[in-house]
Amino acid sequence: AQRVTQPEKLLSVFKGAPVELKCNYSYSGSPELFWYVQYSRQRLQLLLRHISRESIKGFTADLNKGETSFHLKKPFAQEEDSAMYYCALLLSGGYQKVTFGTGTKLQVIP
Amino acid sequence: DADVTQTPRNRITKTGKRIMLECSQTKGHDRMYWYRQDPGLGLRLIYYSFDVKDINKGEISDGYSVSRQAQAKFSLSLESAIPNQTALYFCATSDLGLAGGYNEQFFGPGTRLTVL
Repeated sequence: AQRVTQPEKLLSVFKGAPVELKCNYSYSGSPELFWYVQYSRQRLQLLLRHISRESIKGFTADLNKGETSFHLKKPFAQEEDSAMYYCALLLSGGYQKVTFGTGTKLQVIP
Repeated sequence: DADVTQTPRNRITKTGKRIMLECSQTKGHDRMYWYRQDPGLGLRLIYYSFDVKDINKGEISDGYSVSRQAQAKFSLSLESAIPNQTALYFCATSDLGLAGGYNEQFFGPGTRLTVL
């Protein structure tokens, strides 16, 4: 079954510390993965997708097929990074659906 | 994104009542989705529609129905609300990506529904 696992419900880090939000997936095909973010009082929005291989707001995420992981990383956390982060996996089939993980709340302590 | 709106934003209702949540978009997207968000469970797909004549069940469609009145409107109904349908409901839209691939979803602000 296709599944996305985010093991941490809450991750607290100090400002300036490195951040790593974990995401593991199970999928038999070629995965396409994303990170969505929801800031306080804002809408859920796409942060980045692995095929773009880009850095957004200092965040990067590398797809590791061997470890079936897509961890989100940032070298130096900022207070404005505090938000809810969701990892998502594109499902196979013609309808282009995604399945979301349970989310990790990132709290950056000043 | 103000292009995707949901009404109402908050609703409290009683068990057994019929409730309709509405979603409108001005983005011109063909694809629309309804999700519910529960603490510890993340977002789960209820229904999705890839055009006006295409409606599909998601992973948790039991107890819900939808109507795609137009390209811009996608309504979610709870025919007989029950307390475990208390949740935050999100509508989302997307367009077809390059070569038919995935394109990002744009979310509405959410509707907080409480069923007593």
